[in-house]
Amino acid sequence: EPEVTQTPSHQVTQMGQEVILRCVPISNHLYFYWYRQILGQKVEFLVSFYNNEISEKSEIFDDQFSVERPDGSNFTLKIRSTKLEDSAMYFCASKTDYTGELFFGEGSRLTVL
Amino acid sequence: GQQLNQSPQSMFIQEGEDVSMNCTSSSIFNTWLWYKQEPGEGPVLLIALYKAGELTSNGRLTAQFGITRKDSFLNISASIPSDVGIYFCAGRGYGGATNKLIFGTGTLLAVQP
Repeated sequence: EPEVTQTPSHQVTQMGQEVILRCVPISNHLYFYWYRQILGQKVEFLVSFYNNEISEKSEIFDDQFSVERPDGSNFTLKIRSTKLEDSAMYFCASKTDYTGELFFGEGSRLTVL
Repeated sequence: GQQLNQSPQSMFIQEGEDVSMNCTSSSIFNTWLWYKQEPGEGPVLLIALYKAGELTSNGRLTAQFGITRKDSFLNISASIPSDVGIYFCAGRGYGGATNKLIFGTGTLLAVQP
């Protein structure tokens, strides 16, 4: 069964360092998302991406964050200069079309020291 | 922004018991979804509801889309130890560039064998 895959599964970084989280969405999906879940809290929307551009973003997604679809398969989230409060589980998700259901990856745990 | 309040926050039950959890919103949603998240994994879709009043089952799980479009409940009958996890409701409002999901605050379910 097709699935969303994410790498790395866990990354530990120093505050101020740049981090790139990678995702391979399901191959025929057209809408891509990043969500964040701080330990013990709910899943929060960060950004959505369609037609090679950001469609929506939340107030969390400030100018330290960026997303890119560098080729036909990868979808990346970059955090330019990490802060302690960026420590969280980051989930990539994708769907086929506007009304389709979201499929989530298993997440990338980011720990900022 | 849109918020989903989920209750209870946590439940500790005996195997075989039935479970009920619900989700309410101050605004209308056109789709309600229920996800389950196990430790270290991403949310997995359990049930999707698309019409007000709709009642849908998936095995021992039953969920309903409230008539007001502002609430939903999930019931689990005859719970088993593998039902353990965090259950999230999620809703989609009307419109938005990519029809993003908003997640509830989650219900932690623990099942004692």
